[in-house]
Amino acid sequence: RKEVEQDPGPFNVPEGATVAFNCTYSNSASQSFFWYRQDCRKEPKLLMSVYSSGNEDGRFTAQLNRASQYISLLIRDSKLSDSATYLCVVNKGGSQGNLIFGKGTKLSVKP
Amino acid sequence: DAGVIQSPRHEVTEMGQEVTLRCKPISGHDYLFWYRQTMMRGLELLIYFNNNVPIDDSGMPEDRFSAKMPNASFSTLKIQPSEPRDSAVYFCASSLGFWRSTEAFFGQGTRLTVV
Repeated sequence: RKEVEQDPGPFNVPEGATVAFNCTYSNSASQSFFWYRQDCRKEPKLLMSVYSSGNEDGRFTAQLNRASQYISLLIRDSKLSDSATYLCVVNKGGSQGNLIFGKGTKLSVKP
Repeated sequence: DAGVIQSPRHEVTEMGQEVTLRCKPISGHDYLFWYRQTMMRGLELLIYFNNNVPIDDSGMPEDRFSAKMPNASFSTLKIQPSEPRDSAVYFCASSLGFWRSTEAFFGQGTRLTVV
């Protein structure tokens, strides 16, 4: 099983749609979880951290299920500017500085 | 702060040549990471440093790759000799330690093409 696994997409959705991305991780010792966003030919940037209780930032909601080793990202009322690749990131258990990136899920929001 | 600064932004070199990529992390950050990104493999961690000391280099593909961090404000990734399969975007990132934040701030990357 890959350390961090994501559906590569692409997800093609109309403006205003709600879209959900899923991610699974293999190391039960992992303690830090993030979603990063990467625009085409740009560097990854932090979108949001993921907390056990779930957290929301505007139109974005992240959830963590430790028992199932599963992370999700929900985007409501999607905008054209949300078009990007979304990377699920997990720290390597036992090595806090070592962040493992999923290959990303590509989102394309159409007018 | 100007963020993480990488140079060069683009590098085209011939197979067999030595390539040196450079990175200046954000001042005060104690972790520095080197990642490589390709379409096939995504973002892969090559090596990371904590307080200038290499902690985990298990991602370095082979002996042709080496990385140094002589001080807190500078790191290099060297490939010698380079091969076409080394073509990728190489990112440097830095962060504060785990107990404060593990958000990693990335540089703009070096796009390496080995012909």
